[in-house]
Amino acid sequence: GQNIDQPTEMTATEGAIVQINCTYQTSGFNGLFWYQQHAGEAPTFLSYNVLDGLEEKGRFSSFLSRSKGYSYLLLKELQMKDSASYLCAVRAPYSGAGSYQLTFGKGTKLSVIP
Amino acid sequence: DTGVSQDPRHKITKRGQNVTFRCDPISEHNRLYWYRQTLGQGPEFLTYFQNEAQLEKSRLLSDRFSAERPKGSFSTLEIQRTEQGDSAMYLCASSLEQGANGYTFGSGTRLTVV
Repeated sequence: GQNIDQPTEMTATEGAIVQINCTYQTSGFNGLFWYQQHAGEAPTFLSYNVLDGLEEKGRFSSFLSRSKGYSYLLLKELQMKDSASYLCAVRAPYSGAGSYQLTFGKGTKLSVIP
Repeated sequence: DTGVSQDPRHKITKRGQNVTFRCDPISEHNRLYWYRQTLGQGPEFLTYFQNEAQLEKSRLLSDRFSAERPKGSFSTLEIQRTEQGDSAMYLCASSLEQGANGYTFGSGTRLTVV
């Protein structure tokens, strides 16, 4: 089975740092993705981790611990435009059909306030 | 490259009617996915195509749902005898191969069944 947990909502102040956690229990693991989704829009790719450790990309960083089934997305120097939902997704191992499908968490709605 | 295109953006239909959605993936992407997203949830996998072959289908895809990708380029998703529970955002995504960038999603088709 697949179970991915994220907080439902978070609020943070413009200019601050926020950490969005994701824990997962899946029957297989082949990478973890973070997507950003503004209301009514498509999810857009933010980051990818397949090995343990921290991946940094500008104001966004993502961390993975495979042994703990845990990841977080760190957003620095928050801007109002960062108000969105952040989706954690785990990629399945090779299925035979080759889909490598993603299983998504429910998303964390981040509100950035002045 | 204009990304993944979906048409229509919005569809309102009466219960019992049939609807068809179209997805045009990024031209060089051989992998195409359909996902469904309801309010407050993450996207859920529906089906996967590699070129023109439909290789994987979720149990969510009841027999009222059918998807095609006749020439390995665009894809259609048809829902027959729509039900109110079918109301959701239907997202199409494409990718070239397993890699670090995940999928590219289209903007989705929002279906409302009244």
